[in-house]
Amino acid sequence: GNSVTQMEGPVTLSEEAFLTINCTYTATGYPSLFWYVQYPGEGLQLLLKATKADDKGSNKGFEATYRKETTSFHLEKGSVQVSDSAVYFCALTPPLGTDKLIFGTGTRLQVFP
Amino acid sequence: DGGITQSPKYLFRKEGQNVTLSCEQNLNHDAMYWYRQDPGQGLRLIYYSQIVNDFQKGDIAEGYSVSREKKESFPLTVTSAQKNPTAFYLCASSPGRGEKLFFGSGTQLSVL
Repeated sequence: GNSVTQMEGPVTLSEEAFLTINCTYTATGYPSLFWYVQYPGEGLQLLLKATKADDKGSNKGFEATYRKETTSFHLEKGSVQVSDSAVYFCALTPPLGTDKLIFGTGTRLQVFP
Repeated sequence: DGGITQSPKYLFRKEGQNVTLSCEQNLNHDAMYWYRQDPGQGLRLIYYSQIVNDFQKGDIAEGYSVSREKKESFPLTVTSAQKNPTAFYLCASSPGRGEKLFFGSGTQLSVL
């Protein structure tokens, strides 16, 4: 079946450190891949997406590249800020069937000054 | 402003009581979704609707019910059959397949 696996958190970093949050997926064919972010007490917001292999999604300094060969969509940022502290969810939409999103378990990021 | 509105933000349920969570969107989206969020478990799909007057069960539909009588509204009822209802509930909508989801700000349901 279709699934998403994320690295367990929390990820704790100092401000301006480099961030990587790993995400791998299992799906038949070519799913669309997403990263969502959830700030405390709020719903999720789309951070970036990629719809085909080798696509790079980017937004607010975050990037993720759709790697078909490794079935991965790792999230990176070169220099994190305290305001980036949140929970990050990797997700996919299967290429066939319904358009429901399948989420990973989320990774909490804590950035300290 | 266009968006999704969930209410109330906090809700308390007594033993044996049914409660209804509201979700309204003015984005003219066809598809709407209800997710449950528990700590450390990510989001799990309860119900979804791709068009008015039609909806499908998600992965954890037992103890919940929904209706979709209007395009803009997708209320979720947590029935007394749901024995562990304490969670954060998120409603979302989407303009179409493969498109991003727009989320509401959530409702925290707790049991008294």
